[in-house]
Amino acid sequence: GQNIDQPTEMTATEGAIVQINCTYQTSGFNGLFWYQQHAGEAPTFLSYNVLDGLEEKGRFSSFLSRSKGYSYLLLKELQMKDSASYLCAVRDSNYQLIWGAGTKLIIKP
Amino acid sequence: ETGVTQTPRHLVMGMTNKKSLKCEQHLGHNAMYWYKQSAKKPLELMFVYSLEERVENNSVPSRFSPECPNSSHLFLHLHTLQPEDSALYLCASSPELDRAFYGYTFGSGTRLTVV
Repeated sequence: GQNIDQPTEMTATEGAIVQINCTYQTSGFNGLFWYQQHAGEAPTFLSYNVLDGLEEKGRFSSFLSRSKGYSYLLLKELQMKDSASYLCAVRDSNYQLIWGAGTKLIIKP
Repeated sequence: ETGVTQTPRHLVMGMTNKKSLKCEQHLGHNAMYWYKQSAKKPLELMFVYSLEERVENNSVPSRFSPECPNSSHLFLHLHTLQPEDSALYLCASSPELDRAFYGYTFGSGTRLTVV
């Protein structure tokens, strides 16, 4: 079966750096997405990786290793507004999105 | 405003009621989706429409009935629901069904409680 694993919850301190990991086993691979979802709000697109390596976008970076079935989302200079759930999703060979259960990130002052 | 609007934001219904969820997008997207989001579980794809035609139905119980009258609107008709159907129902759209390189645009969802 297809599976996406990410930690259920993480806690970090304002101003620090946090890395949220995502491992996947899917039928084929056509890209990996990270979404941010604040409580009661719509998930919003953060990043897309289809080739190995690091994609940097401001305070957020996303890394992919296809051979290891592994990705991470790196958040730098954490702010209180970064408290949210972070969803990892992989598009399989049928272009279906397979979703992880999300990682709830709690930022403390 | 995300570009995808869902109404109502909250809905409480009895198990014998009939209600409908509405989703609207004016992004010019050709594909629309219904997802169910339960606490601590992955998003579950329910229905997919491309150019107003249903292309995916992931073994969803018949008490959920989708309707796509045009490429901008999507409905989810609900009847005789069960308490386990309580969840956040998300609508999403994408430019095309496949090769959506920038993923989906989601609405804020309808929080459904079945009592």
